[in-house]
Amino acid sequence: DGGITQSPKYLFRKEGQNVTLSCEQNLNHDAMYWYRQDPGQGLRLIYYSQIVNDFQKGDIAEGYSVSREKKESFPLTVTSAQKNPTAFYLCASSMQRPALVAGGADTQYFGPGTRLTVL
Amino acid sequence: GENVEQHPSTLSVQEGDSAVIKCTYSDSASNYFPWYKQELGKRPQLIIDIRSNVGEKKDQRIAVTLNKTAKHFSLHITETQPEDSAVYFCAVRGAGGTSYGKLTFGQGTILTVHP
Repeated sequence: DGGITQSPKYLFRKEGQNVTLSCEQNLNHDAMYWYRQDPGQGLRLIYYSQIVNDFQKGDIAEGYSVSREKKESFPLTVTSAQKNPTAFYLCASSMQRPALVAGGADTQYFGPGTRLTVL
Repeated sequence: GENVEQHPSTLSVQEGDSAVIKCTYSDSASNYFPWYKQELGKRPQLIIDIRSNVGEKKDQRIAVTLNKTAKHFSLHITETQPEDSAVYFCAVRGAGGTSYGKLTFGQGTILTVHP
């Protein structure tokens, strides 16, 4: 877990602004993920990336964008199109590309999270 | 896509009692089932996991059982301690179609262990 970092820990955004959340890992993991956590709703997948320069939408991608230019980094941008962005955002990574896993474990390790609040 | 239901949403026990949390899932092809523990304001931490070719797995006071036919799996914590108090999440890894490789999480169970 210590190999995944997120910054900032707290972020405040004014309505209409785009903000970018940072996620870095030094675990040499192929896959990276972004989740949103709201009270009573568990973790919901926003975007995930199995390999550099490739990413897929998760269940709640609207209003968010990502890039994966380096293996170690997977930043998430919360755009002004996201109507209710106040939440706890968690980044995760795993060793194997999901599409290549055939019965083997694909443990996801989480970063410490960023709490985003819209003012 | 995968649908995961977790019950109960809150669970209160006395120290030393057992706690059981159950999750059901919809995709019969799902093949990996982890459980995470999240303390207040912290990141989720993996506590135990099970694969589809195994029916039960135990690690000290924690065990997970899987019933593939019924599509449900459960977390069992014995001899609970106050430090077990946290939110517990089950998750299911998809194995087919658009769910392949992705984890879908349950809604979480708030476990409180009273001294």
